Amino acid sequence: GAVVSQHPSWVICKSGTSVKIECRSLDFQATTMFWYRQFPKQSLMLMATSNEGSKATYEQGVEKDKFLINHASLTLSTLTVTSAHPEDSSFYICSPAQWDQETQYFGPGTRLLVL
Amino acid sequence: DQQVKQNSPSLSVQEGRISILNCDYTNSMFDYFLWYKKYPAEGPTFLISISSIKDKNEDGRFTVFLNKSAKHLSLHIVPSQPGDSAVYFCAARRRNSSASKIIFGSGTRLSIRP
Repeated sequence: GAVVSQHPSWVICKSGTSVKIECRSLDFQATTMFWYRQFPKQSLMLMATSNEGSKATYEQGVEKDKFLINHASLTLSTLTVTSAHPEDSSFYICSPAQWDQETQYFGPGTRLLVL
Repeated sequence: DQQVKQNSPSLSVQEGRISILNCDYTNSMFDYFLWYKKYPAEGPTFLISISSIKDKNEDGRFTVFLNKSAKHLSLHIVPSQPGDSAVYFCAARRRNSSASKIIFGSGTRLSIRP
């Protein structure tokens, strides 16, 4: 399967601060990046989809000004949680993909805890 | 609107026996289905998939069955092993002209007891 890394693996921050999560596709070029989050005991919910060099498309209910996504290269995408609040505490997972790729692979995830 | 449903939140199976995890979907446009295994604080790990043109796909101890008319698929694990204890997610996608997003079910926690 594909090799995907995320950094950091976990982060604790104070309410009101911004947190940046990096996702790297290590062995293929990702034309598309999916960002998911998972709250405790819930399913993985798609937050947004970004294509390299384009603006991200956000799912209903996800604030684009709060969750900033940058996909400037084919191997790196970042998700910035701006002015984080305790309700943003979650497990964030990225999934890089190529055009017409059948199987989707996921990063190891980043656990965010906002105090 | 939950397009992919896993109605059993948990399942307990004795080691060595068969584990059967079920999944239903509502969107008839889905044409590719995947099963993922997930441990806490880790990303999902791909297990097995099936295209809508098939009704069965087998890989080692894992077999996925697809019943398109019933919009139902199942994952069979046999024999079940202690390391299989995890949360299993069913997922579906609709392929189009670009990489298409995956929709996940709510997951089934599988526990393999000795």
